[in-house]
Amino acid sequence: GENVEQHPSTLSVQEGDSAVIKCTYSDSASNYFPWYKQELGKGPQLIIDIRSNVGEKKDQRIAVTLNKTAKHFSLHITETQPEDSAVYFCAARTPPGADGLTFGKGTHLIIQP
Amino acid sequence: DTEVTQTPKHLVMGMTNKKSLKCEQHMGHRAMYWYKQKAKKPPELMFVYSYEKLSINESVPSRFSPECPNSSLLNLHLHALQPEDSALYLCATSGPGPEKLFFGSGTQLSVL
Repeated sequence: GENVEQHPSTLSVQEGDSAVIKCTYSDSASNYFPWYKQELGKGPQLIIDIRSNVGEKKDQRIAVTLNKTAKHFSLHITETQPEDSAVYFCAARTPPGADGLTFGKGTHLIIQP
Repeated sequence: DTEVTQTPKHLVMGMTNKKSLKCEQHMGHRAMYWYKQKAKKPPELMFVYSYEKLSINESVPSRFSPECPNSSLLNLHLHALQPEDSALYLCATSGPGPEKLFFGSGTQLSVL
């Protein structure tokens, strides 16, 4: 089955700086890669996703890049703000995909004021 | 704001109790999921319902019993739980295809 590795487990950055979280996946058939943000006491919230036929996607301060050859994808957050503090999970879906997503172990992002 | 609503938000129960978790969605999605999440861990899949029929059971103990009364509702019936079952239980839906998962806020369950 699919295996998703996520690094780092904890990331502390100064407010206003950029943050990068990286994930690798094992199954070359995986074709959909979402990122979730989970705040304390809440469920994971989908913040951005990318399909395997696209190399990069951007939404305001958030971007995701995908390297299919190397089987890795990354989340980039620019101009970080205190409200970006949360746990971020990457995930991958392998077709046919009816059994949900394979998640990475999560990254605790801390924005230092 | 989520369109997947879970109740209750918190639940404390003894090992001999019977309780139910409820999930309601108004997104028109036909696939619904139960996930279990322990602290500082990713969500783990428990059950998948597709068009109101159980399609996947990830070897979950029988003390957890899912039910899908209609396309908008998903229940998880709990009986004779163990303290190690304490966790955040998340409901999710996906649609129109199987890709995008939308989670509710979860029920934080404590088993004493």
